Amino acid sequence: GAGVSQSPRYKVAKRGQDVALRCDPISGHVSLFWYQQALGQGPEFLTYFQNEAQLDKSGLPSDRFFAERPEGSVSTLKIQRTQQEDSAVYLCASSILDGGIQPQHFGDGTRLSIL
Amino acid sequence: AQTVTQSQPEMSVQEAETVTLSCTYDTSESNYYLFWYKQPPSRQMILVIRQEAYKQQNATENRFSVNFQKAAKSFSLKISDSQLGDTAMYFCAFMTAGKSTFGDGTTLTVKP
Repeated sequence: GAGVSQSPRYKVAKRGQDVALRCDPISGHVSLFWYQQALGQGPEFLTYFQNEAQLDKSGLPSDRFFAERPEGSVSTLKIQRTQQEDSAVYLCASSILDGGIQPQHFGDGTRLSIL
Repeated sequence: AQTVTQSQPEMSVQEAETVTLSCTYDTSESNYYLFWYKQPPSRQMILVIRQEAYKQQNATENRFSVNFQKAAKSFSLKISDSQLGDTAMYFCAFMTAGKSTFGDGTTLTVKP
């Protein structure tokens, strides 16, 4: 595709439900990143993949958050037993190579609201 | 841990004038990269300009340039000949070993 695609664009869930957010990176991009962006703040790093390998998951807030990229392309961020503080925009980005000066291309994000 | 500070939550500038957005960071790393991203109201983050820490020469990209002061850990963005389309939130970001740290952003409004 032309850019990074995220779905759904908006997600509303009740507290305690599980949610899954999808990211389709730009074809051929090796690196994939997930961020959490609260209203009025900058993105906070969650996790980073190089192909199918999850190289850094230090930003995941708790063990309720889980990310995978099984075939080195599409990635899913799963949040179990959602809580109100999980409400945020979740951004996905991809880059052609591993980190460095290669720019990250961002998707439009998924706005998650927990009621 | 790395921190990035953008001390100007909001700024405004008249069309065609020049504006400078400030950014400071704190790190013990010696090899890292710095970026400015723009996030218009539509929400998609777009790269504006990037700088390798080992390069002393300041990066420029058309109307956008940076003033990189490594010793002072400062990385400001200058926008020349401001245009209405420059209205957006601007984020300064620091990257090392694949992990990025963003500041909280500066909302820039360009006034006609």
